[in-house]
Amino acid sequence: EIVMTQSPVTLSVSPGERATLSCRASETVGTNLAWYQQKPGRAPRFLIYSASGRATGVPARFSASGSGVEFTLTINSLQSEDFGVYYCQQYKDWPFTFGPGTRVDVK
Amino acid sequence: EVQLVESGGGLVQRGGSLRLSCAASGFTFRTYLMGWVRQTPGKGLEWVSSMSGAGLTTYYADSVQGRFIISRDNSNNALYLQMSNLKNEDSGRYYCVRGGGCTGGNCYTSDNWGQGTLVTVSS
Repeated sequence: EIVMTQSPVTLSVSPGERATLSCRASETVGTNLAWYQQKPGRAPRFLIYSASGRATGVPARFSASGSGVEFTLTINSLQSEDFGVYYCQQYKDWPFTFGPGTRVDVK
Repeated sequence: EVQLVESGGGLVQRGGSLRLSCAASGFTFRTYLMGWVRQTPGKGLEWVSSMSGAGLTTYYADSVQGRFIISRDNSNNALYLQMSNLKNEDSGRYYCVRGGGCTGGNCYTSDNWGQGTLVTVSS
């Protein structure tokens, strides 16, 4: 199965600053890559599809890029509601697999 | 508005069985792949199973193959997961998700999740 890794494990950011999260796949997934945000006690929320497409209702401060094995999620001007855990997930091959997550917290 | 509401979780002994249900609304259920994703302390988020819209194609994680069965009732907009021979490592929150699987040469991930139902397997 394709193994997803994410870095850093934790990212401490001040409100208004930029956060850059990384995701790597153990083999190429093309652009079959999604990002999810999860807050405590809540289900993951779909943010990004096809490596760079924003899901409906996702603010423009969220941007994503990458293809193959290296991917990035950038959150510009971080807002209080953006803190949480972010997961990348590949859907090129079954089983679809998730990364372990990056926690974005308040600096 | 898409809604996915899970039920059926609970406490079960190791080796026991449980059936999860998901009631879907707000979209044309029969046209969507549907699946189950679980979140466990040990493995984080793990895609458990998916099924095509017509129910002809199924996917299972290796960890549940042979023990779990996914099914759906398109006339009642419902998705199910029959879990048997449960193990301690099956404990976690199980989410019903819209999407997840491959059809027509393309693969799709999930764009909507329910709030989940908690499964606890005791020794």
